[in-house]
Amino acid sequence: VIWMTQSPSLLSASTGDRVTISCRMSQGISSYLAWYQQKPGKAPELLIYAASTLQSGVPSRFSGSGSGTDFTLTISCLQSEDFATYYCQQYYSFPRTFGQGTKVEIK
Amino acid sequence: EVQLVQSGAEVKKPGESLKISCKGSGYSFTSYWIGWVRQMPGKGLEWMGIIYPGDSDTRYSPSFQGQVTISADKSISTAYLQWSSLKASDTAMYYCARHRKPRHLDAFDIWGQGTMVTVSS
Repeated sequence: VIWMTQSPSLLSASTGDRVTISCRMSQGISSYLAWYQQKPGKAPELLIYAASTLQSGVPSRFSGSGSGTDFTLTISCLQSEDFATYYCQQYYSFPRTFGQGTKVEIK
Repeated sequence: EVQLVQSGAEVKKPGESLKISCKGSGYSFTSYWIGWVRQMPGKGLEWMGIIYPGDSDTRYSPSFQGQVTISADKSISTAYLQWSSLKASDTAMYYCARHRKPRHLDAFDIWGQGTMVTVSS
């Protein structure tokens, strides 16, 4: 099983801030990493796949980077609609695993 | 429009059986892996398992192997998640989701709306 450490678990920020979320793997996964956004009461939505490829329709202020064991999701200029919980997921090996989640809240 | 539509909320007693569904439309159902994800109240996402409806190849997380059964009926483009004997700890929201590329093991790009399962005596 690949263990994932996602940090921070809670991030307080203001509109317009640049925020960064980290996801670290217990072993290398090449670029088989996705990032999802989940708002309260809603299903998750895919933001980024293959570590850095933006899903169609996702605003360009979202970006992903990394490979191997260390990955980052960056929101360059936080908007009001970005306050949500974010999860990373590896799809390199079975069982697939999700990070613990990062809640981005209004400061 | 590509979508996954899940069955409605369920309230069950411990020990009862349950089968929830996820119907795909707007795409070739047999060509894409479909997975199930659990979210317990106030908690994060847990990957349960996936199925390829084309040949019913199924993979489970060790955490859920033997606890649930994932199946699919390609004739009606529907995937299922079932329990033979529910426990209170099965209380959660369950999501189905489709892999992004046909035949490939990939990220989930399309998600169902979720099915809330409540198990209480």
